[in-house]
Amino acid sequence: NAGVTQTPKFRVLKTGQSMTLLCAQDMNHEYMYWYRQDPGMGLRLIHYSVGEGTTAKGEVPDGYNVSRLKKQNFLLGLESAAPSQTSVYFCASTERATYSGANVLTFGAGSRLTVL
Amino acid sequence: RKEVEQDPGPFNVPEGATVAFNCTYSNSASQSFFWYRQDCRKEPKLLMSVYSSGNEDGRFTAQLNRASQYISLLIRDSKLSDSATYLCVVNIPGNQFYFGTGTSLTVIP
Repeated sequence: NAGVTQTPKFRVLKTGQSMTLLCAQDMNHEYMYWYRQDPGMGLRLIHYSVGEGTTAKGEVPDGYNVSRLKKQNFLLGLESAAPSQTSVYFCASTERATYSGANVLTFGAGSRLTVL
Repeated sequence: RKEVEQDPGPFNVPEGATVAFNCTYSNSASQSFFWYRQDCRKEPKLLMSVYSSGNEDGRFTAQLNRASQYISLLIRDSKLSDSATYLCVVNIPGNQFYFGTGTSLTVIP
């Protein structure tokens, strides 16, 4: 049971470089999310997707782009990395809710990104 | 204004103690509510959903007050293994999930 898989797990970038984080889920979930977690800040929603081909902005979308070309994959891109984007990034997914309380998020193990 | 505000802690309690965490949310249209647990440098995992009638899972009791937009978690008979960060989570229309900053709990032998 793979669940949600994030790659890479660790990455060090220089300011201005670009990179893509990949999130893959094998549970046929409709909804997918990208969060960042910084000390004392909790998890903040970057972007999310309610289905294949759709994306939407969350709380802190600036500096990031996303794509959901296939239902099972949700990509997070940094076009020009900045030190402020040093963080732990978590991807999560959930199925379409059929009753209240059914939306349980399944998380990936996280991707630790450092921008120098 | 943040969607979810949570007691920052940290809470340091002896084994066997009872501890309570609180959380408030700002969006009155919020649809579902949860407590997640996060161990150091790990991904969050669901502890329990929170229902209007209140619900219990072993030593854990969650309460929701929609009128006050307030959520609580009570842990009885704390164990060393309960040491973690507890995250209050709210699902708002559009199926967006917002997290509180988390409350750190350390259970001391």
